[in-house]
Amino acid sequence: EAGVAQSPRYKIIEKRQSVAFWCNPISGHATLYWYQQILGQGPKLLIQFQNNGVVDDSQLPKDRFSAERLKGVDSTLKIQPAKLEDSAVYLCASSPLWRGVGETQYFGPGTRLLVL
Amino acid sequence: AQTVTQSQPEMSVQEAETVTLSCTYDTSESDYYLFWYKQPPSRQMILVIRQEAYKQQNATENRFSVNFQKAAKSFSLKISDSQLGDAAMYFCAYITDDKIIFGKGTRLHILP
Repeated sequence: EAGVAQSPRYKIIEKRQSVAFWCNPISGHATLYWYQQILGQGPKLLIQFQNNGVVDDSQLPKDRFSAERLKGVDSTLKIQPAKLEDSAVYLCASSPLWRGVGETQYFGPGTRLLVL
Repeated sequence: AQTVTQSQPEMSVQEAETVTLSCTYDTSESDYYLFWYKQPPSRQMILVIRQEAYKQQNATENRFSVNFQKAAKSFSLKISDSQLGDAAMYFCAYITDDKIIFGKGTRLHILP
């Protein structure tokens, strides 16, 4: 079974530029999560999708971050414009829906973003 | 507001010995899930063990076990017979219907 795929793995941009990250979850997984992991901290949930609907985006900075999950499969996370403090690893995870929130999350390798 | 605290930023243990990582959380909820995830250097985060709050029995997965004290809001992870491959960041996570909170992590070093 293929794992969660993310691209790109690394991205360096200048502040005020735009950037987009892509995630392909495990086939059949209904729930998809985007996390921001700043160096030395634990992951912080940005947005959670169930199929193609948003379950929780309360910690997503909506003035600059946006995310979509078309057709309930792949997802993209966009930052426009980027700030220095957006430098972090962006993790995507997916989980099946069988046990709801108690289900294991499967994480991708992450995208490491550096904003200069 | 719910919080998750991992009070040990770093720990070291001799190979084959036992180590316990601590995690405390604050919540007024009665129904939630607790997880330990492992993040090896430059590798993906993977599940170590999970615990449903309504279960009194502590979860066990091979060399990994938890000590879940619901009243004390404590969820520690015990690793027995530590191996070099156990070296990683370990994150405690608290999850409910509307909250997902990870602790800051504990970096575990295994000494040969």
